[in-house]
Amino acid sequence: SAVISQKPSRDICQRGTSLTIQCQVDSQVTMMFWYRQQPGQSLTLIATANQGSEATYESGFVIDKFPISRPNLTFSTLTVSNMSPEDSSIYLCSGETSGDGAAGELFFGEGSRLTVL
Amino acid sequence: GENVEQHPSTLSVQEGDSAVIKCTYSDSASNYFPWYKQELGKRPQLIIDIRSNVGEKKDQRIAVTLNKTAKHFSLHITETQPEDSAVYFCASVEGGSARQLTFGSGTQLTVLP
Repeated sequence: SAVISQKPSRDICQRGTSLTIQCQVDSQVTMMFWYRQQPGQSLTLIATANQGSEATYESGFVIDKFPISRPNLTFSTLTVSNMSPEDSSIYLCSGETSGDGAAGELFFGEGSRLTVL
Repeated sequence: GENVEQHPSTLSVQEGDSAVIKCTYSDSASNYFPWYKQELGKRPQLIIDIRSNVGEKKDQRIAVTLNKTAKHFSLHITETQPEDSAVYFCASVEGGSARQLTFGSGTQLTVLP
């Protein structure tokens, strides 16, 4: 199994600022994803982080608001840009390891809890 | 895209009783169905999963069943213990080359001592 580390674990941010969340995996993973989880809610996929190319965003999420990088197979960043109170949430990095082309087990980081004032 | 519905949203059981959580999915080509447990303030963790070529899978006190015809799958926990209290999420992956998980809305399970 893979161990995923995220930082910061939590932060309090001012409206209009941007924050970058870092995600480090201890081994190479085939896929990396970023999810958002509002308090008491389910997980919503923001985007798939593609190594060396632009991320693939889900409906309702755009690159200008959530730029994502993935320079290699073990590291990714998510930036929450021009934050507003509605962006207050937990952001989760995840990685998937699968050697046979089929969907495999998804591992999650500890999450980054952002509060926007 | 895929739509996953989960119920009940909350479930309370007495310690030692069984708990059942049900999910339905919309994409008939979906082929992978994991279940995650999330304790308060912790990350979601995979507890069991099933693929579309299998009807049932067990791991000690936990089992998952899949009915492809009806497009639903269920999590069964037997001999529940207080440490089973958590939020449980079902999920599915669309068929084909898709790898992204779509999650259900979650079930808060409370095991009463």
